[in-house]
Amino acid sequence: AQSVTQPDIHITVSEGASLELRCNYSYGATPYLFWYVQSPGQGLQLLLKYFSGDTLVQGIKGFEAEFKRSQSSFNLRKPSVHWSDAAEYFCAVGPRSNDYKLSFGAGTTVTVRA
Amino acid sequence: DSGVTQTPKHLITATGQRVTLRCSPRSGDLSVYWYQQSLDQGLQFLIQYYNGEERAKGNILERFSAQQFPDLHSELNLSSLELGDSALYFCASSAGTGGGETQYFGPGTRLLVL
Repeated sequence: AQSVTQPDIHITVSEGASLELRCNYSYGATPYLFWYVQSPGQGLQLLLKYFSGDTLVQGIKGFEAEFKRSQSSFNLRKPSVHWSDAAEYFCAVGPRSNDYKLSFGAGTTVTVRA
Repeated sequence: DSGVTQTPKHLITATGQRVTLRCSPRSGDLSVYWYQQSLDQGLQFLIQYYNGEERAKGNILERFSAQQFPDLHSELNLSSLELGDSALYFCASSAGTGGGETQYFGPGTRLLVL
């Protein structure tokens, strides 16, 4: 069965510190991989996605993610966090087919302290 | 602003009632997806329409139905509402239906069933 695991429910980080959010997936084959961010009261915004090729993917707002096939992981990173990065982050996977249903992880809430 | 609009923003109703949620996709997008976000189930895919036809189905209850109209807007109908249907309902759209296409999310409709 397909599943997406985000092991950390909540992370608190100081402004200016680095951030890493973990995502592991269980899938029949390498899926398409996404990271979305949801700010309070808002919809989801795509940060970045991985289809193929370079396993280090650059996204918006200074985020990047690294795909590691051997670990079935797609961890999100940011070198220096800003207060505006406080939000909920979702990892998602989608099949490489026209049966296009995204499966989301449970989300990680990021709190940024001054 | 993703370009996806959803109305209403908030909806409060009673058990047993029926409501309709509306979604207008981004200009030019042919696919519309509906998701339910609740505290206990997380973000779950409900259903996808592509150019007026149902394309994929997820964890959608029989009490729920959806359709996509010729102008490509979509409606999600929820009937015989139960307390457990209280959730945030998102609509997303994408240009086509190929795997890996970016889905753009609307701001959501928050439904409260009392």
